[in-house]
Amino acid sequence: NAGVTQTPKFRVLKTGQSMTLLCAQDMNHEYMYWYRQDPGMGLRLIHYSVGEGTTAKGEVPDGYNVSRLKKQNFLLGLESAAPSQTSVYFCASRGGPEGYTFGSGTRLTVV
Amino acid sequence: AQSVTQLGSHVSVSEGALVLLRCNYSSSVPPYLFWYVQYPNQGLQLLLKYTSAATLVKGINGFEAEFKKSETSFHLTKPSAHMSDAAEYFCAVSGYTGANNLFFGTGTRLTVIP
Repeated sequence: NAGVTQTPKFRVLKTGQSMTLLCAQDMNHEYMYWYRQDPGMGLRLIHYSVGEGTTAKGEVPDGYNVSRLKKQNFLLGLESAAPSQTSVYFCASRGGPEGYTFGSGTRLTVV
Repeated sequence: AQSVTQLGSHVSVSEGALVLLRCNYSSSVPPYLFWYVQYPNQGLQLLLKYTSAATLVKGINGFEAEFKKSETSFHLTKPSAHMSDAAEYFCAVSGYTGANNLFFGTGTRLTVIP
């Protein structure tokens, strides 16, 4: 089925560890996004990409890096995880001004 | 700049009662507006979207929303609440520059009382 796939779905990290979250879409969308969701704060944009090889910072980029080496993939990296990065992470892609598709989320806990 | 304000972080209604979840937006250009629902421990599901066609938008599960430009509002309603409507609801507005991303409200948690 066409859509956005996020891996992993769950992860527990120790403070200081690193990890990469993978987002893959098969809709040939140019725009891709990483959001984090925290209680009472809605979804906030971490980083985004407007096409292969391009990335840019969103509202809350500190502590994260991203890469878009292939059009279909958008990777979110945490170099040194902190408890403040405990959150649910959503990837999304955009196929037009009204066509956003979201992944099912990654629940990350940093202990 | 685009932004969304959802009034009421928690709303409780009795089963069978009217559901009204409020959303006001700020946008310098005609917006695209969205309502998403999130059930516990699940992802986001699109309920409905406004894309400058009809101002009254019908969505899934009996929900609808009305775009009112004069009030900069896009409130979500459902005539009769079901227990299965208990979830968190997010209003969002699309951006038009740079990222063209969605700007989300802080969410409203709906509780349905039997």
